[in-house]
Amino acid sequence: DIQLTQSPSTLPASLGERVTISCRASQSISNSLNWYQQKPDGTVKRLIYSTSTLESGVPSRFSGSGSGTDYSLSISSLESEDFAMYYCLQYATYPLTFGSGTKLEIK
Amino acid sequence: VQLVESGGGLVQPGKSLKLSCSASGFTFSSYGMHWIRQAPGKGLDWVAYISSSSGTVYADAVKGRFTISRDNAKNTLYLQLNSLKSEDTAIYYCARGRLGVAYWGQGTLVTVSS
Repeated sequence: DIQLTQSPSTLPASLGERVTISCRASQSISNSLNWYQQKPDGTVKRLIYSTSTLESGVPSRFSGSGSGTDYSLSISSLESEDFAMYYCLQYATYPLTFGSGTKLEIK
Repeated sequence: VQLVESGGGLVQPGKSLKLSCSASGFTFSSYGMHWIRQAPGKGLDWVAYISSSSGTVYADAVKGRFTISRDNAKNTLYLQLNSLKSEDTAIYYCARGRLGVAYWGQGTLVTVSS
């Protein structure tokens, strides 16, 4: 199985700040990586697919990059609604695997 | 796209439960579908996948105990959970496939406890 190591587990940040979340795979996943946001009510939303393609309707302050085994999600200028949990997912091979999550919290 | 799960509840260890996911807003028969779960306070955990042609894949933790199926005439996805264990306690989400997991439902809570 492909392991995804996501960091940091907790990220304190301020409104307007730029932040980056990392996701490292145990083997190459050929850009088959998505990023998800989960709100406290449990709602899960895909933000980015295939490493860097922004989902329709997602604000342009979100961006994704990476290749091979190393991937990242950046938020250019934090807004209040961005404070949530974030997960990466690899879909290169089954079983699909998620990163352990990053809690983005207000500093 | 709308996905609405149902069928969760409290069940004793060793017993069975069947979850349903009603889909609308897209051509259900054209998409693979997933079940994903989240134990209380934990991260997301992929459970099973069924392709548009009904091929299936399972996580090792549920293989042989859970069965994913679909009824394209009813636009409904199912997950049959047998021989339930306490560690199966989680919110179960159904989700539409295509480049990984795309749209998610709101989830249904399954609690396995005596």
